[in-house]
Amino acid sequence: EVQLLESGGGLGQPGGSLRLSCATSGFAFHTYAMTWVRQAPGRGLEWVSAISGSGASPYYADSVKGRFTISRDNSKNTLFLQMNSLRAEDTAVYYCARVLLFLRCFDAWGQGNLVTVSS
Amino acid sequence: QSALTQPPSASGSPGQSVTISCTGTSSDVGGYNYVSWYRQHPGKAPKLIIYDVTKRPSGVPDRFSGSKAGNTASLTVSGLQAEDEADYYCSSYAGNNNLLFGGGTKLTVL
Repeated sequence: EVQLLESGGGLGQPGGSLRLSCATSGFAFHTYAMTWVRQAPGRGLEWVSAISGSGASPYYADSVKGRFTISRDNSKNTLFLQMNSLRAEDTAVYYCARVLLFLRCFDAWGQGNLVTVSS
Repeated sequence: QSALTQPPSASGSPGQSVTISCTGTSSDVGGYNYVSWYRQHPGKAPKLIIYDVTKRPSGVPDRFSGSKAGNTASLTVSGLQAEDEADYYCSSYAGNNNLLFGGGTKLTVL
């Protein structure tokens, strides 16, 4: 069974940092690109970032470029999102997801992890 | 780039069909056959139900179908069931390694 489990969210200060993790199991992690998608409270989905299976190619939405860094550890089947220079508008539930076809569709999702940016 | 445009709400009675639209531009929906649809129940993660405009992942019933004309994609849910009451989101590849989502449509089964 494919499983994705996010962790590391919580309360962050404006201008501060948080690191999200997504532990996966049930599939050949290194063969899949992975992505992060967020959803602000009561709002729609927003694509945040994606990374190739090897980890060599990261991609970012303009709203987080230069502040967030996506990475992966294929030896531990884990995806990461380092979030720096946090802003109030980064407050959202962050989902990790498996990419079925690159930047076209995501076929397995984690349960989500809430990040709240507030002083 | 702006989010894709979806109607905020849609509704239908059990057994009926309902269609949800997703409007973009020639740079996203109209430029690629890479539109996907997701269903999201309250407090749950999204679930992929349509990809590449018309394709259904394994396990998704054929009550769900997708289409596209120009810059507008559509999701049709036939034979509405109570479990179909949820939020539905479209997405489209938008070039330059970018992906856009729609604002979401809340489907109510009357």
